[in-house]
Amino acid sequence: EPEVTQTPSHQVTQMGQEVILRCVPISNHLYFYWYRQILGQKVEFLVSFYNNEISEKSEIFDDQFSVERPDGSNFTLKIRSTKLEDSAMYFCASSGRQGQGINTIYFGEGSWLTVV
Amino acid sequence: KNQVEQSPQSLIILEGKNCTLQCNYTVSPFSNLRWYKQDTGRGPVSLTIMTFSENTKSNGRYTATLDADTKQSSLHITASQLSDSASYICVVSPYSSASKIIFGSGTRLSIRP
Repeated sequence: EPEVTQTPSHQVTQMGQEVILRCVPISNHLYFYWYRQILGQKVEFLVSFYNNEISEKSEIFDDQFSVERPDGSNFTLKIRSTKLEDSAMYFCASSGRQGQGINTIYFGEGSWLTVV
Repeated sequence: KNQVEQSPQSLIILEGKNCTLQCNYTVSPFSNLRWYKQDTGRGPVSLTIMTFSENTKSNGRYTATLDADTKQSSLHITASQLSDSASYICVVSPYSSASKIIFGSGTRLSIRP
C-alpha cells in the first residue's frame, strides 16, 4: 500500500538552529499536512497545504515555521530558529485523490525532533 | 470550545477478550469522526471514518459506532490480539475545516497474554 515517508526519523539540534523536515506524500494526493505531538500529549494540527499554498494553519504555526513543496514530490517543514519547546514528533500526512469522498488522512511515521 | 474527550485513559485486558473505548466530542457542526490506531513512536493509522449520517462502521475486528445526537462514539474491539496493544485516538473534523481536525488524548490499550 502507498505510504507517506518522512526523513529524518530522528534529529537532534541545538537551540537557535534551523531544521528542515522532509516528507514524500502519497503520489496523486492533493492535500498535505504537518502535525506535531509533544511527548505524552495530543497530536496537534500545524498547517495544511493545497494547490501550492497554505490553506489553513493553527496558532502554533507562527513566523518561525514555513512549508514548501519545492519539486512536486517533496513537502518540507522548516523551523527557522528552534526552541526547546519545539521538541516533538512531527507527522507529515496527505489525503485527497481527485474524486475521492471523505478523505482518509494517511500519516507518515514521524520525525522526532529533539532541541537541546 | 471544540473538544474531544476519550475514556478510559488506559485499559488492560486479556488476549481474546473484547473491549469498548469511548469518545465524547463537543465539535459542532462536525463533518466526520475517525478512529486511529497509534503504536508507540509511530504515525497514526486510520481504522474507520464515519460521517454524521452513519451509525456504525466495521473494519475487521474493529467496529465503530456514532450517535450524532448525543455526540458520542465508541470503538469496539473483538477477540483482542497482542498486536492490538496501542493507543486508540478519536479524531473529529469540524464542518468548517477539513484540516483542523481535533484529536483526542487517546486510550492506551494493553493486551496481556
